Amino acid sequence: EVQLVESGGGLVQPGGSLRLSCAVSGFTFSDHYMDWVRQAPGKGLEWVGRSRHKGYSYTTEYAASVKGRFTISRDDSENSLYLQMNSLKTEDTAVYYCIRDAPDRDGYYFDYWGRGTLVTVSS
Amino acid sequence: DIQMTQSPSSLSASVGDRITITCRASRGIGNYLAWFQQTPGKAPKSLIYAASSLQSGVPPRFSGSASGTDFTLTISSLQPEDFATYYCQQYNDYPLTFGGGTKVEIK
Repeated sequence: EVQLVESGGGLVQPGGSLRLSCAVSGFTFSDHYMDWVRQAPGKGLEWVGRSRHKGYSYTTEYAASVKGRFTISRDDSENSLYLQMNSLKTEDTAVYYCIRDAPDRDGYYFDYWGRGTLVTVSS
Repeated sequence: DIQMTQSPSSLSASVGDRITITCRASRGIGNYLAWFQQTPGKAPKSLIYAASSLQSGVPPRFSGSASGTDFTLTISSLQPEDFATYYCQQYNDYPLTFGGGTKVEIK
C-alpha cells in the first residue's frame, strides 16, 4: 500500500524557518518524481514545487511565490522527501501536502497524496 | 502561466443527478489535465489524469473529456460520498496550476 506521511508542521514566527518531511512506503521512492502542494485555510490548491528523480539529477522546480525561500530535497536511502522553508511569511500559512507523481507521456501527474501537515506563520 | 478557469464555482444537486464541471485552459495543454476530489478536512484524492483516464479504484460513474482547451468532469449518477469540492489541474508546463474549485452541495 502506498503511504506518504508528512511531519514537521507547526507554529513559526514570520521570518523563521521550518523543515517539513515526507516519509514514504509501499513503492520504490527513487523511481518517482515528487511534489509539494499547499492549501491556505479555506482556499484552493497551490503547487509549491517538484523534485525529479536521480535519472534527472534530482533537479527541482518551484512556484514563483516560494522560489529562493523554499528548497526541496530528497534522501532515497531514507525514502524521504523534504521541504526546507526559510524567510517564512504569514501568507505561507497552509496545509502542505506531499504527492507522488506518475508518468504520462512527457508529463507527470499526481497520483497519491499524503494527509498533509499544517504550517502556521504568525507572531 | 497557464490559467485554469473552472465553472461553476458551486452547484447544488440531488443524489442520482448527472452533473458536469468545466475547466478551460488559457492555452493548449495537450490533454495534460487532471481532476481531484476533496472532502472537508481531508486530503485531495486523484480521480482522472490525461483528461479522461481514470485513476485506479475510481468508480466508472466518473468520466472526463476534452475538446481543445475545454475539459469536463462528469458524474453520471451522484452518490452521497460525491458531495465534495473538485479541482482541475494542468501539468503541461511550469508552474503547475489548478482551477479555483467547484463545490458540489446537496440540494
